[in-house]
This record gives sequence, C-alpha cells and structure tokens, in this order.
Amino acid sequence: AAGVIQSPRHLIKEKRETATLKCYPIPRHDTVYWYQQGPGQDPQFLISFYEKMQSDKGSIPDRFSAQQFSDYHSELNMSSLELGDSALYFCASSPRTGDYEQYFGPGTRLTVT
Amino acid sequence: DAKTTQPPSMDCAEGRAANLPCNHSTISGNEYVYWYRQIHSQGPQYIIHGLKNNETNEMASLIITEDRKSSTLILPHATLRDTAVYYCIVRVASNDYKLSFGAGTTVTVRA
Repeated sequence: AAGVIQSPRHLIKEKRETATLKCYPIPRHDTVYWYQQGPGQDPQFLISFYEKMQSDKGSIPDRFSAQQFSDYHSELNMSSLELGDSALYFCASSPRTGDYEQYFGPGTRLTVT
Repeated sequence: DAKTTQPPSMDCAEGRAANLPCNHSTISGNEYVYWYRQIHSQGPQYIIHGLKNNETNEMASLIITEDRKSSTLILPHATLRDTAVYYCIVRVASNDYKLSFGAGTTVTVRA
C-alpha cells in the first residue's frame, strides 16, 4: 500500500540558511499534518492543512511557513535556521472519510550546524 | 494539558501477550482513543483506535472500560520488533484535530 513520502530524508544546513521539506500524502488523503521531534522528545504538532487551507496551528516559529498545493502535497519552509531546529520532521496524512486516523511518513532528519 | 496517563516503561517476554494500560479519566463523549507506536526514530505508526466498543485488528486489540476512563492495548504475541514507544492519545475524530503526543510507554520485548 502507498505510504506518505517525505523528501529529503536527511538534510544538513548551516545556521541562518533556509530549508524546504516536502511531503506527499497517501492518495485520496486531503489533510496533511507536520510534526517536529527534537532529540529525546516526543513529536510536537506544528501545523496542518485541510483542502489546501490551514486548519490548525501549533508551536510553529514565525520563521517557518507551510502550504498545501492543489495536488495535496505540502511543503514546510524554514528560514533563518537555528541550531535548535535540528530535529526529525514528520508529515502525516489522513483520509477524507472514516475516523481520520493519521498515517506518518518516515521523516526528514534536519541537522543545523 | 495531558489527557492520558501511561506507565513510563514495561518489559515483556517474547511470545507473550503485552498489556499496555492507559488512563484517560477526562475523556469527552466525542473523543476517541487512538494508539500509535514509534520504533526508534521512525515515523509514528498507527495501531488501532476506538470510541467505546472493544476493537481488534491484525496488530492488536483495544479494550475500553465501560465508563471510558481507561483502556488497554493488547499485543497478543509480542516479538522483538514490537519494542517501541507506545502512545495512547485521545482525540476527536476529525481532520481539525491534531495528535497530542504525551509521555508514552517504552515497551521492551526480551527474548
């Protein structure tokens, strides 16, 4: 079965640089969620999109922005990167019917040096 | 605002059933109980969810008490690959609602 695809899987950036993470949801899933997991921490919700509109927002820094495109893929843009942004970034998608369980991608490991 | 309480860790023998408890005494009538697990640094994996009836799928069984204030996830025959952090999450079944990961249970399956 098709799963959530995230790219790149690994990314190394320097402080003050920008990064773009991409997420391709499972086919026929119209909702995308982004989560951040710092070292030794539990995943924390950043932002979500439903039908290309932002539906919820968590503890996402102002330096970060995201959007969902017409094909339902989503991109998380991160600017002025800081060392503390080093983390795993997970994308999840959920279907438009049923009980809206979320299915996660393998994550992007971002390292800021 | 922790909505669930889980034991921090538990061990299980390979081949035996693993019973993971979760307390959610403040659960609302429209909130479901979802279980996810995360194997080291991999994306969280959906396991099962339920509203009030017991549920079973190919991975696990979910037993929810009649008052819905607690539940138990049962892995019927634990294997070494079941070693992971297990999260119990209560959430309204809607696209508008995120998953709030709290402190889960680290399950170690031993040979």
